[in-house]
Amino acid sequence: DIQMTQSPASLSASLEEIVTITCQASQDIGNWLSWYQQKPGKSPQLLIYGATSLADGVPSRFSGSRSGTQYSLKISRLQVEDIGIYYCLQAYSAPYTFGAGTKLELK
Amino acid sequence: EVQLQQSGAELGKPGTSVKLSCKVSGYNIRNTYMHWVNQRPGKGLEWIGRIDPANGNTIYAEKFKSKATLTADTSSNTAYMQLSQLKSDDTAIYFCAMSLTTVVPDYWGQGVMVTVSS
Repeated sequence: DIQMTQSPASLSASLEEIVTITCQASQDIGNWLSWYQQKPGKSPQLLIYGATSLADGVPSRFSGSRSGTQYSLKISRLQVEDIGIYYCLQAYSAPYTFGAGTKLELK
Repeated sequence: EVQLQQSGAELGKPGTSVKLSCKVSGYNIRNTYMHWVNQRPGKGLEWIGRIDPANGNTIYAEKFKSKATLTADTSSNTAYMQLSQLKSDDTAIYFCAMSLTTVVPDYWGQGVMVTVSS
């Protein structure tokens, strides 16, 4: 199975700060990488698919990038509503695999 | 509007089975994949598998091959997941999700809590 190593496990940031979360794939997965946000008690919400494409309705302060087998999610100006847990997902090959998650909190 | 409505919370005894449902409205499930994902208490997301309702083809994560059975009824636009031989470790929230505008899960059900306890 493809392993997704996500970092950091937790992150504390201030409002308006730039936040970056990364996922490292254990092998080439092309652009088959998505990012999700999950708020407490809620279902995950798709933010980014195809490594860099913004999902419908997602604010433009979210962006995704790729460098080889490392993928990044960037929040350009952190807002209160961005607090939650973020997961990456590889869909290059089954079984799809999620990263372990990054808990984003306000400083 | 596309909606995925999951069945209610389940309490199952060890060794028994439960069958979860996920009824889709606003979109024909024949035209998409239906995924199932779990989340154990306080833990991360885990992909269980997916089904192509148009032909019944399924793919499972290895650890769920003998645990989960995915089916779909296109006449009622509903996906199902049966969990067998329940153990305490199966206690989790189970989400159904579909790939509508992308190939990855982009619409999700509300999740259903399955508790395994004697």
